[in-house]
Amino acid sequence: DGGITQSPKYLFRKEGQNVTLSCEQNLNHDAMYWYRQDPGQGLRLIYYSQIVNDFQKGDIAEGYSVSREKKESFPLTVTSAQKNPTAFYLCASRPRTLDNSPLHFGNGTRLTVT
Amino acid sequence: GDSVTQMEGPVTLSEEAFLTINCTYTATGYPSLFWYVQYPGEGLQLLLKATKADDKGSNKGFEATYRKETTSFHLEKGSVQVSDSAVYFCALSEGGGTSYGKLTFGQGTILTVHP
Repeated sequence: DGGITQSPKYLFRKEGQNVTLSCEQNLNHDAMYWYRQDPGQGLRLIYYSQIVNDFQKGDIAEGYSVSREKKESFPLTVTSAQKNPTAFYLCASRPRTLDNSPLHFGNGTRLTVT
Repeated sequence: GDSVTQMEGPVTLSEEAFLTINCTYTATGYPSLFWYVQYPGEGLQLLLKATKADDKGSNKGFEATYRKETTSFHLEKGSVQVSDSAVYFCALSEGGGTSYGKLTFGQGTILTVHP
């Protein structure tokens, strides 16, 4: 079955360390997205990518970085510059960016930084 | 910019009760509208969508009508079940142009249904 795989499901890190969250999709989708979810705040867009080797900042990109070297993969790095990294991170994709097709979501990674 | 406002929760209902979760939006163009559902510990799943004014999206007994005149997309279900307990998100997508099809989400409404 096609879908989006995020790993790991739970991740724990010490403050000051960078950490990379994995997102892989086998849906052959061009567009991929990273959202952050905090209680009572809905989802906020961190980064998105329309095609391989291209990505743009979303609404809260500070302290994060991404790469898109392969169509299937869109890893997110949470750097030590991110002031409040503890959150639930969701990766999503859709066939193309410039349409209104629904997003497909992974099951998320819960990051805890202490 | 675009925004979505949902009724504040949490919402607590008894099984078989009628459900309404209000959603209003602000957008510059003609967005598509979505309802997503999130079960505990999981990602979001598309529940229903509507792409133009007066369209009605429906799925699993849930319905929502795209009302351009009131900029609303309220979610309704005639008889809720315990299994409907989840967080519900209203969202809009502007499609092309500079927004690149980004989804803008409401803050989510927690629904708990008791037997």
